[in-house]
Amino acid sequence: KNQVEQSPQSLIILEGKNCTLQCNYTVSPFSNLRWYKQDTGRGPVSLTIMTFSENTKSNGRYTATLDADTKQSSLHITASQLSDSASYICVVSETGGFKTIFGAGTRLFVKA
Amino acid sequence: DAEITQSPRHKITETGRQVTLACHQTWNHNNMFWYRQDLGHGLRLIHYSYGVQDTNKGEVSDGYSVSRSNTEDLPLTLESAASSQTSVYFCASSEDGTRGDTQYFGPGTRLTVL
Repeated sequence: KNQVEQSPQSLIILEGKNCTLQCNYTVSPFSNLRWYKQDTGRGPVSLTIMTFSENTKSNGRYTATLDADTKQSSLHITASQLSDSASYICVVSETGGFKTIFGAGTRLFVKA
Repeated sequence: DAEITQSPRHKITETGRQVTLACHQTWNHNNMFWYRQDLGHGLRLIHYSYGVQDTNKGEVSDGYSVSRSNTEDLPLTLESAASSQTSVYFCASSEDGTRGDTQYFGPGTRLTVL
């Protein structure tokens, strides 16, 4: 069964600190992996997308990595800001169709 | 600017009532999706559409229906609302779903079934 598992479920960090969120997946055949940011009360917004051949992608202070061999991805947030408080969702798509599986998300709290 | 909107943003209804949630996008995307989001679960696909007159069931489609009469709109209908359908519903659209393209999400509708 195709699955996407994220860890930790929630995380509290101080403003200015770095953090790393994890995503493990079993989706096959693999097409791409996205990280979305979801602010409270809003829909998810795409941060990064990586295909099989890409192992890192950056978007400002967000850097995503992908190891397609071990089926693991991480999202690293540098110099966190209060506005980074949100849920971060890992999403993996199969090739050839609409099969897109969402992880349950990691809830990040950045404290002043 | 192109956007995707949902209405209403909040809805309270009673068990057994029919409810329709609206989704409208101005991206001119062919592909539209409906998801529900519950605590402890990832977004789960209810129905999706590749284009006008096309609709397909997702993993949690029981009790829901959609219709696609034009490119811009994909209304979601709960034929007879149940308490288990209390959730936050998100509509999304994408340009090319066969490549797992980025989906653009609406702001969500919070539905409570009493």
